[in-house]
Amino acid sequence: GAGVSQTPSNKVTEKGKYVELRCDPISGHTALYWYRQSLGQGPEFLIYFQGTGAADDSGLPNDRFFAVRPEGSVSTLKIQRTERGDSAVYLCASSSDRGKPQHFGDGTRLSIL
Amino acid sequence: QKEVEQNSGPLSVPEGAIASLNCTYSDRGSQSFFWYRQYSGKSPELIMFIYSNGDKEDGRFTAQLNKASQYVSLLIRDSQPSDSATYLCAVPRAGEKLTFGTGTRLTIIP
Repeated sequence: GAGVSQTPSNKVTEKGKYVELRCDPISGHTALYWYRQSLGQGPEFLIYFQGTGAADDSGLPNDRFFAVRPEGSVSTLKIQRTERGDSAVYLCASSSDRGKPQHFGDGTRLSIL
Repeated sequence: QKEVEQNSGPLSVPEGAIASLNCTYSDRGSQSFFWYRQYSGKSPELIMFIYSNGDKEDGRFTAQLNKASQYVSLLIRDSQPSDSATYLCAVPRAGEKLTFGTGTRLTIIP
């Protein structure tokens, strides 16, 4: 079936604005992950969902970041009062179950001006 | 010590030769290991994973684990220009979240 889908592919906004990034996992995948990747670095973990609940949100950098997955499928990463340091590629991944290989979407490139 | 370390490269290999990529990890209890390939401007693509019970071969790719020295290797045989990319090693931490190395940039020279 289709892979992990992320929208938008690019987002440019001004400092202080609110943004939402969407992730549609592979059909049937119960586990969903958000990562953030800066230039020249590997992806860094943000949050992991198993079903509807956030099983581990230890990677969220501060309380401006929040993510939901209300029906256990699509997830939205929300960033309030954006800062220039939030600029990065935000990657979503899903897996068929916990511990199984994770497959990534194409990412959202977020630029904060 | 970083949890997952890779030589950033660049690593240049002639076409048709074997490319060898290494990754060291700090958690001796790690049970699974993942290799992702990332082309410039693209997202990571899973190409290989192994568990602590042994090595694995898939086509031109072989993943090897040395538990005593805590490193994993990815070998690419008969390297092709299309193999030119950054290769990311990832190890699960606390069961689920992947910890990535910074990646090794590989260039295959025609």
